[in-house]
Amino acid sequence: SQTIHQWPATLVQPVGSPLSLECTVEGTSNPNLYWYRQAAGRGLQLLFYSVGIGQISSEVPQNLSASRPQDRQFILSSKKLLLSDSGFYLCAWTRDFTYEQYFGPGTRLTVT
Amino acid sequence: AQKVTQAQTEISVVEKEDVTLDCVYETRDTTYYLFWYKQPPSGELVFLIRRNSFDEQNEISGRYSWNFQKSTSSFNFTITASQVVDSAVYFCALSEAPSNTGKLIFGQGTTLQVKP
Repeated sequence: SQTIHQWPATLVQPVGSPLSLECTVEGTSNPNLYWYRQAAGRGLQLLFYSVGIGQISSEVPQNLSASRPQDRQFILSSKKLLLSDSGFYLCAWTRDFTYEQYFGPGTRLTVT
Repeated sequence: AQKVTQAQTEISVVEKEDVTLDCVYETRDTTYYLFWYKQPPSGELVFLIRRNSFDEQNEISGRYSWNFQKSTSSFNFTITASQVVDSAVYFCALSEAPSNTGKLIFGQGTTLQVKP
């Protein structure tokens, strides 16, 4: 069966510090991968998606970036965090676009 | 443009009551997919159902049922005999096939509180 992992679970970072969130999927190959952000009390916003290694599409201009160094690894990064980057970050995967996405447990990021 | 509207921000019911969560969507495409997800207090999104635009059959899974009506662009979710464990935020989402990316457009979510 497939599983998706995210770490860390929670993170408190000062403004201006770097960020690296990791997501890995097990039990499948060549998944589509997605990063979403959920601000407090709001819906989910798609940040990045990837349909293959090294292929990253950005949905929202911001100071975040994403990379996919391996088939089942998706990384969300920032060089300098802003207060507005606080939120709940969710990684998701799907076998292809016709299927449902499965979400990881999420990372709760607080920028202070 | 694609859009998903969940007009009910919060709903509160007493255990054993039936409750319907509304979802209205907008899309220009004829081929699309609709989803419902549950987000319990732990935060992880749990997949509930997927429907493609060519399948208008209603679906029942235990206490859960879904009513898909293309004529009104709605995909409503009913919980029968609600339980406290149903308390969560529920999201409706849309994915358009022609994009070939699987990107999900989420509604703002409906917070359901089931009181004992």
